[in-house]
Amino acid sequence: GAGVSQSPRYKVAKRGQDVALRCDPISGHVSLFWYQQALGQGPEFLTYFQNEAQLDKSGLPSDRFFAERPEGSVSTLKIQRTQQEDSAVYLCASRGLAVYNEQFFGPGTRLTVL
Amino acid sequence: GENVEQHPSTLSVQEGDSAVIKCTYSDSASNYFPWYKQELGKRPQLIIDIRSNVGEKKDQRIAVTLNKTAKHFSLHITETQPEDSAVYFCAAIPNDYKLSFGAGTTVTVRA
Repeated sequence: GAGVSQSPRYKVAKRGQDVALRCDPISGHVSLFWYQQALGQGPEFLTYFQNEAQLDKSGLPSDRFFAERPEGSVSTLKIQRTQQEDSAVYLCASRGLAVYNEQFFGPGTRLTVL
Repeated sequence: GENVEQHPSTLSVQEGDSAVIKCTYSDSASNYFPWYKQELGKRPQLIIDIRSNVGEKKDQRIAVTLNKTAKHFSLHITETQPEDSAVYFCAAIPNDYKLSFGAGTTVTVRA
């Protein structure tokens, strides 16, 4: 079956622009996660959804970052007024209901802010 | 929050030799420890995981050990092959969802 997909795969934005990154999780996965991966680093947790409910957004770096999952499936991570420090790979992951199930990652969106 | 430290940051081994990566964690509540492999430009993929009620787990050439008392866990790859070259990340979950990753180990297997 299809895995987690993300679009766009690459995004170049000028500083100050708004961007929207999309994640399509594995069908039926109730849990969805966003991570930020800086160059040469491990992924850093941003936010967590269970169905449409955003249960944890403690990792979002600032109020310029906003995530939603209105119908409990597709999710969008929006970054307003992008800054150079926002340049990173944004990874989405999804997981089935059980806690110890694997988090399946998407290919990521590489955001470059000029 | 959970803090995961990973060593070494780079590791070069001769094909056929073993590779060992070590991680420590800070939160005693962590109870699930996955290892991910990430090839250049690709997504992280789970290669093995271990739960806190188990001390060791093996899957073919890969094994993971966990010492909860010392709060450290290790990945062992035996009979390394060129396709094992990648970045490996350890992680821990202190609650039931938030993965805390180490900084990664770049493994290079020399032919």
